[in-house]
Amino acid sequence: NAGVMQNPRHLVRRRGQEARLRCSPMKGHSHVYWYRQLPEEGLKFMVYLQKENIIDESGMPKERFSAEFPKEGPSILRIQQVVRGDSAAYFCASSRSGTNYGYTFGSGTRLTVV
Amino acid sequence: SQQGEEDPQALSIQEGENATMNCSYKTSINNLQWYRQNSGRGLVHLILIRSNEREKHSGRLRVTLDTSKKSSSLLITASRAADTASYFCATNFGNEKLTFGTGTRLTIIP
Repeated sequence: NAGVMQNPRHLVRRRGQEARLRCSPMKGHSHVYWYRQLPEEGLKFMVYLQKENIIDESGMPKERFSAEFPKEGPSILRIQQVVRGDSAAYFCASSRSGTNYGYTFGSGTRLTVV
Repeated sequence: SQQGEEDPQALSIQEGENATMNCSYKTSINNLQWYRQNSGRGLVHLILIRSNEREKHSGRLRVTLDTSKKSSSLLITASRAADTASYFCATNFGNEKLTFGTGTRLTIIP
């Protein structure tokens, strides 16, 4: 059981480029969550998805950020026209059925915008 | 904000001692969870305690929950160097997503 797989582990983008972060949930998990973490801070919720549906995107910035979890393939967090302030660690987590079982986290993608 | 807050922000103890971290939150919860994060890594789920439970154990971990005070504590007994990490509490308010606190940085001194 491979757990939650995130790639890439590290991503460097120039200002104005697009960043695409991928997350494959744990086998059997149908709930996916994306969080952002700045250095020395806690995790900030971004979006909660189930297959082909966005359930809660209350933590997503209104512009430039989007997320999807298609019927086939990984969940994607997409950041268009990146700015320096987007530099952070982005973590994906999955769970079986909501939060009654706890989350399994991936190792994260560290995005650096130069 | 519904975010939990851990206390203290940082804690250093000698190996073998017990470490206690506290978490406070603001609204009613379905459950509260504790996670560990080693530097540069993802979070690892440690323990989940439901709102109708008062205490839970897992190995050297003991979690208590006081819903009247809206607080929880995590006790790590007989600490080891490998316990050095950041510890986060996370709360579920019934809307599926978890809200994380700011964390306690625990350092175990060999």
